[in-house]
Amino acid sequence: DGGITQSPKYLFRKEGQNVTLSCEQNLNHDAMYWYRQDPGQGLRLIYYSQIVNDFQKGDIAEGYSVSREKKESFPLTVTSAQKNPTAFYLCASSIFRSGGRGTGNTIYFGEGSWLTVV
Amino acid sequence: QKEVEQNSGPLSVPEGAIASLNCTYSDRGSQSFFWYRQYSGKSPELIMFIYSNGDKEDGRFTAQLNKASQYVSLLIRDSQPSDSATYLCAAGQNFVFGPGTRLSVLP
Repeated sequence: DGGITQSPKYLFRKEGQNVTLSCEQNLNHDAMYWYRQDPGQGLRLIYYSQIVNDFQKGDIAEGYSVSREKKESFPLTVTSAQKNPTAFYLCASSIFRSGGRGTGNTIYFGEGSWLTVV
Repeated sequence: QKEVEQNSGPLSVPEGAIASLNCTYSDRGSQSFFWYRQYSGKSPELIMFIYSNGDKEDGRFTAQLNKASQYVSLLIRDSQPSDSATYLCAAGQNFVFGPGTRLSVLP
């Protein structure tokens, strides 16, 4: 089945620890995204990538890092510099970055990963 | 800062009624608009998208777009308890999301 796979679904982080969330897609999409969602809140863009070996900061990139070594994979590392990382993390992808008229380009989401600081 | 605004709700409607969800956007250059449904604890799923002024219907859902007023809405006819969720509006080439409106359909 084509889709976006995130792992792990639940992750616990100790203070001062870096953790990495995995995101893999087999949709052959060029663009990939990471969003953060806090309880009862909307989606905030952390990082996005339009092409392999290139990525851009979103609205809340501080304390996070990403890589895009393969088209299918866009892992997110939550570093110890992120002081309040407890949230629901969503990986997404689209055919390309621009959701222009008539292109049929839409954004699809993985099932999400819950990160809790303990 | 390009923004998308939604009433956070909760919007409560009785079963069988029409639910009307609204969204405004600040970027006049936005060409594409999307509605997603998100159940509690789950990821958003695409309901429909709209590019042209006017109405677009898909089953019980109708999206309405008015670019002059920078306004997009989603109507849900014959609302069911299973429609209870948060509805996210996204606008433009960069998929800017609104905060979502929580809908509660009462049996």
